[in-house]
Amino acid sequence: DADVTQTPRNRITKTGKRIMLECSQTKGHDRMYWYRQDPGLGLRLIYYSFDVKDINKGEISDGYSVSRQAQAKFSLSLESAIPNQTALYFCATSSGGRTEAFFGQGTRLTVV
Amino acid sequence: AQTVTQSQPEMSVQEAETVTLSCTYDTSESNYYLFWYKQPPSRQMILVIRQEAYKQQNATENRFSVNFQKAAKSFSLKISDSQLGDTAMYFCAFIALGRLYFGRGTQLTVWP
Repeated sequence: DADVTQTPRNRITKTGKRIMLECSQTKGHDRMYWYRQDPGLGLRLIYYSFDVKDINKGEISDGYSVSRQAQAKFSLSLESAIPNQTALYFCATSSGGRTEAFFGQGTRLTVV
Repeated sequence: AQTVTQSQPEMSVQEAETVTLSCTYDTSESNYYLFWYKQPPSRQMILVIRQEAYKQQNATENRFSVNFQKAAKSFSLKISDSQLGDTAMYFCAFIALGRLYFGRGTQLTVWP
């Protein structure tokens, strides 16, 4: 089993729908991140969490919200999806913020 | 501001040859870690190599090595004896204050 698991792997949704992307980890890391990847733009940080009670906005948080349900679970929600949010989304974890990040398999989201 | 710049959107190299991918970064932090990640067509993010900023010795991992110039804030990746399986998008990144920052990536193609 993967150390960082994202569900779903692929999703097509309609404009205006609410959608949740889920991430769980078995690495025991305290820090979790959500990134968005678009061609030519690299990975951009949406939200990050240093522990269950510490959630922070990244550089592109508008239109997104998150929930850290437990140390091992960090979900990303799009309250009202729009086509501009079509992208590849990654969840990542790290320990203490000084080691490399470990990534999930990514979720390919298409908003039509 | 924390930034990562990869000035080569695309590069190509013949199998068995050597190629160097460039990366510069900017941070006001003194403690940070640098990374190169590889993203093959499977879209999985794979750590290639890491470098602690406080270490002067350049990191090496089999065919992969870095040239870390801290004063110049430069962190290039050298791939020796390139293989077809090295074809991927390569991302330069660093982590400071618990946040991971990425460049826009360099698409490397290895041809026979």
